[in-house]
Amino acid sequence: KNQVEQSPQSLIILEGKNCTLQCNYTVSPFSNLRWYKQDTGRGPVSLTIMTFSENTKSNGRYTATLDADTKQSSLHITASQLSDSASYICVVSGLYTGTASKLTFGTGTRLQVTL
Amino acid sequence: DSGVTQTPKHLITATGQRVTLRCSPRSGDLSVYWYQQSLDQGLQFLIQYYNGEERAKGNILERFSAQQFPDLHSELNLSSLELGDSALYFCASSTGLAGVQETQYFGPGTRLLVL
Repeated sequence: KNQVEQSPQSLIILEGKNCTLQCNYTVSPFSNLRWYKQDTGRGPVSLTIMTFSENTKSNGRYTATLDADTKQSSLHITASQLSDSASYICVVSGLYTGTASKLTFGTGTRLQVTL
Repeated sequence: DSGVTQTPKHLITATGQRVTLRCSPRSGDLSVYWYQQSLDQGLQFLIQYYNGEERAKGNILERFSAQQFPDLHSELNLSSLELGDSALYFCASSTGLAGVQETQYFGPGTRLLVL
């Protein structure tokens, strides 16, 4: 069964500190992995998309890594800001077969950045 | 602002009723996706349309149906509503031309409460 597990479930850090969120998946065959940021009550916003051949991708203070061999990804946030407080969702897409879409979502890590 | 609009923002109805959620994609986007996000679950992919045709199906109940019109807006119809259908319903759009790597842009969501 395709699964995406994220850890930790929630995290509280001080403003200015760095943090790393984890994503482990069992989706196969693998197509790509995405990280989304979702503010409370709002739609998710795409941060990064990585395919099998990509090990790392950055978007400002966000850096995602992917190890397709171990089926693990991480999202590193540098110099956190209060506005980083949100849920971060890992989404893994399996290879399309015909019209079948195989998007598997993690339940997210809720990050709170405090003063 | 992602450019994706959804109406209504909030909807309160009773069990057994039928509702229609509406989505207008970003200008130029041909693909529309529908997602359900319950409190105790992550985002669940429901269905995707591309240029008026159903492209992919996820965990969509038989009581739910969707369509995409010639002007590319989409509607999600939910019938015989149950308490468990209470959730945030998101619509997302993408160009539909860049394959599995393309970014999906999410709308603000419709919050449905079934009493």
